[in-house]
Amino acid sequence: DIQMTQSPSSLSASVGDRVTITCRASQSISSSLNWYQQQPGKAPKLLIYTTSSLKYGVSSRFSGRGSGTDFTLTISNLQPEDFATYYCQQSYSIPFTFGQGTKLEIK
Amino acid sequence: QVQVVESGGGVVQPGRSLRLSCVASGFTFNTYGMNWVRQAPGKGLEWVALISSDGSDTYFADSVKGRFTTSRDSSKNTLYLQMNGLRAEDTALYYCARGVGKNDGSLDSWGRGTLVIVSS
Repeated sequence: DIQMTQSPSSLSASVGDRVTITCRASQSISSSLNWYQQQPGKAPKLLIYTTSSLKYGVSSRFSGRGSGTDFTLTISNLQPEDFATYYCQQSYSIPFTFGQGTKLEIK
Repeated sequence: QVQVVESGGGVVQPGRSLRLSCVASGFTFNTYGMNWVRQAPGKGLEWVALISSDGSDTYFADSVKGRFTTSRDSSKNTLYLQMNGLRAEDTALYYCARGVGKNDGSLDSWGRGTLVIVSS
């Protein structure tokens, strides 16, 4: 199985900041990397698919990059609604696997 | 709009069975693969199962293989997860999610989940 490792596990930032979350795969997954946002008590929401494609309706403040084994999610101009937990997930091979999550908190 | 709604969760004793349902609306159900993902209390996301758009192929996480099955009824726009031999570690909020893209693995629409508690 492909292991997905996110860093950091938690992150404190202020409204207006720019933050980057990293996701590393245990083997190459090409561009088959997705990012999800989960707010407390809510279901996850797809933000970005295949590394860098923004889901329709998602703010352009979210962006993704990477290929192979190393990927990043960047959120610019943080807004109050962005404080949540973020998960990466590989869809390159079954079983699909998620990172452990990064909790983004307000400083 | 695209919507999936899970049901069927509850409290069940170890070793017993439970069947979850997921009713889909707002899209052509029989053209999408469908996934189950679970989240134990306070923990991260764990992919559980995938069923292909026509129901001919199913895939499972090792943690549930041999105990869980998944099926779909296109006439009812409904996805099912049959869970047998339940264990305490199966306690979780179970989500169904529509799959898109390569391997139906980008999960673009999720339900609110249904809670399964395995306890004596």
